[in-house]
Amino acid sequence: DVKVTQSSRYLVKRTGEKVFLECVQDMDHENMFWYRQDPGLGLRLIYFSYDVKMKEKGDIPEGYSVSREKKERFSLILESASTNQTSMYLCASSRGRSYEQYFGPGTRLTVT
Amino acid sequence: GENVEQHPSTLSVQEGDSAVIKCTYSDSASNYFPWYKQELGKGPQLIIDIRSNVGEKKDQRIAVTLNKTAKHFSLHITETQPEDSAVYFCAASPNQAGTALIFGKGTTLSVSS
Repeated sequence: DVKVTQSSRYLVKRTGEKVFLECVQDMDHENMFWYRQDPGLGLRLIYFSYDVKMKEKGDIPEGYSVSREKKERFSLILESASTNQTSMYLCASSRGRSYEQYFGPGTRLTVT
Repeated sequence: GENVEQHPSTLSVQEGDSAVIKCTYSDSASNYFPWYKQELGKGPQLIIDIRSNVGEKKDQRIAVTLNKTAKHFSLHITETQPEDSAVYFCAASPNQAGTALIFGKGTTLSVSS
């Protein structure tokens, strides 16, 4: 079974802090994605990556950056957390040219 | 870019009834349309998908239909059971974005026994 793990299920941070959300997949998938999920807004794509050290902006990249130094790990970085970044963050991965994405359980981030 | 609209946002049915969720998309170049189910406390999981060269696909109690001309696709669940209660998301793959997906806003399905 494909397993996508996220470093924390729940996280509470203060405004202005630098926040790292980590995602690891164990199936040697080339593609990795970060979404945020908000009530009534569905899943919105923040960033994605098709290969190590490569990244593409999604629909809502503002206020976020990403890092992919190893194939299995994709990190989402909030340089200076703000209250409007309080949300559920979901990581996903997929193989090569496949569209099927496998999701992690999510990290619920609260910024106070 | 691609825009995916999903309706209804909430749907309540009695056990054994059918449920239908509808989505429309804007980019005629989109060629892949999956449906994901998200149970409480879990990440979304793919339940069925359809490609643009197929009009209908069925897997036991769930089916998806696609109308390319009208740019809409639907999820049909027959003989609903309480364990079908979840949030369902449709998505489309805009061709110019590789394998990235654009999701609808989700439908919360409640099946009461």
